Amino acid sequence: GIQVEQSPPDLILQEGANSTLRCNFSDSVNNLQWFHQNPWGQLINLFYIPSGTKQNGRLSATTVATERYSLLYISSSQTTDSGVYFCAVEPGSNYQLIWGAGTKLIIKP
Amino acid sequence: DTGVSQDPRHKITKRGQNVTFRCDPISEHNRLYWYRQTLGQGPEFLTYFQNEAQLEKSRLLSDRFSAERPKGSFSTLEIQRTEQGDSAMYLCASSFYSGHLLGGYTFGSGTRLTVV
Repeated sequence: GIQVEQSPPDLILQEGANSTLRCNFSDSVNNLQWFHQNPWGQLINLFYIPSGTKQNGRLSATTVATERYSLLYISSSQTTDSGVYFCAVEPGSNYQLIWGAGTKLIIKP
Repeated sequence: DTGVSQDPRHKITKRGQNVTFRCDPISEHNRLYWYRQTLGQGPEFLTYFQNEAQLEKSRLLSDRFSAERPKGSFSTLEIQRTEQGDSAMYLCASSFYSGHLLGGYTFGSGTRLTVV
């Protein structure tokens, strides 16, 4: 089945820094989503981005479907950005999301 | 739009007891999913519905697990004869599907189950 790899697995930054998280997938996908799971466990959908670039405030994402990767950019990090960032893809006509292992981000004040 | 609601938020039960969780999806969404997540892992697919029809169930889901979505609205997930290995966060999500997925998934806050 399709493999989803996220990097880096862990990232520790000072408040105000910028970061780039990467998601590689091994086969073509119907859609790709980025989620943020906060320390209380709530999963928030950040982007639904099967291809192209989207921006939402300090966050932006780019998916290059032909090269099978997606990037999540976080600018001017805040402590509330801490948590785990997951990439999840829906392969082919499958209904099921395949999840990466996540990137654990810690923003220090 | 009040988002996806799950009840209860926490449940502690003794091994062998039955438990039932409820999920109220976003009203415009026709797909509803159940996932399970353990500490340090990504969510694991359990089952999903399109309207009232349960279209797929994970092979990881034992016969002790059953889910329903009567009338295509809220859904319930029941675990019979709970085991300690069932301890996890149970997450519900919904989405709108019309030939293809339109927009992303919206997750609820989850129900944390502890089996003692």
